[in-house]
Amino acid sequence: GAGVSQTPSNKVTEKGKYVELRCDPISGHTALYWYRQSLGQGPEFLIYFQGTGAADDSGLPNDRFFAVRPEGSVSTLKIQRTERGDSAVYLCASSLGPDRVHEQFFGPGTRLTVL
Amino acid sequence: AQTVTQSQPEMSVQEAETVTLSCTYDTSESDYYLFWYKQPPSRQMILVIRQEAYKQQNATENRFSVNFQKAAKSFSLKISDSQLGDAAMYFCAYRSAGGNNAGNMLTFGGGTRLMVKP
Repeated sequence: GAGVSQTPSNKVTEKGKYVELRCDPISGHTALYWYRQSLGQGPEFLIYFQGTGAADDSGLPNDRFFAVRPEGSVSTLKIQRTERGDSAVYLCASSLGPDRVHEQFFGPGTRLTVL
Repeated sequence: AQTVTQSQPEMSVQEAETVTLSCTYDTSESDYYLFWYKQPPSRQMILVIRQEAYKQQNATENRFSVNFQKAAKSFSLKISDSQLGDAAMYFCAYRSAGGNNAGNMLTFGGGTRLMVKP
């Protein structure tokens, strides 16, 4: 595809439910990042994949959050037992590789609302 | 840990005028990258301009330029000849230039909302 895509665009769920958010990176990009952007704030790092493996998951807030990238392309962010505080826009970005000179290209995000 | 601070929650500029957005950061590293991103209501982050810390020359991209003061840890964005399409949230971001896989992420400031008056 032309850019990073994320589905769904919006997700409304009830407290305690399980949700999955999907990210399709730019074709050929080996590095993938998830960020969370709460209302009125800047994005905050969650997890970084290089290929299939999570190279840095230091930003995941707790063990309810988990992400996978089984084939080194599409990634899924999974949130268990959602809480109202999880409501935010979840942004995905990809870059050509791990070299820090490579630009991160962002998707449009998934707005998660937990009622 | 690095921190990025944007002290202006909102800024306003008249169309065709010039506006400067402020950003300061804190780091103990000597080599890093600094960025300005634009986020319109569509939510998609768009890279506006990038500066490598080892370069003394300030980066410029058309109407956008930066004033990078490494000793002061300041990185402001100047938008010249402001256009209605420049209205958006602007985020300053930091990225470490070296080290292992940890620290490869972007660290963002809290953002500045720019309004452009016709």
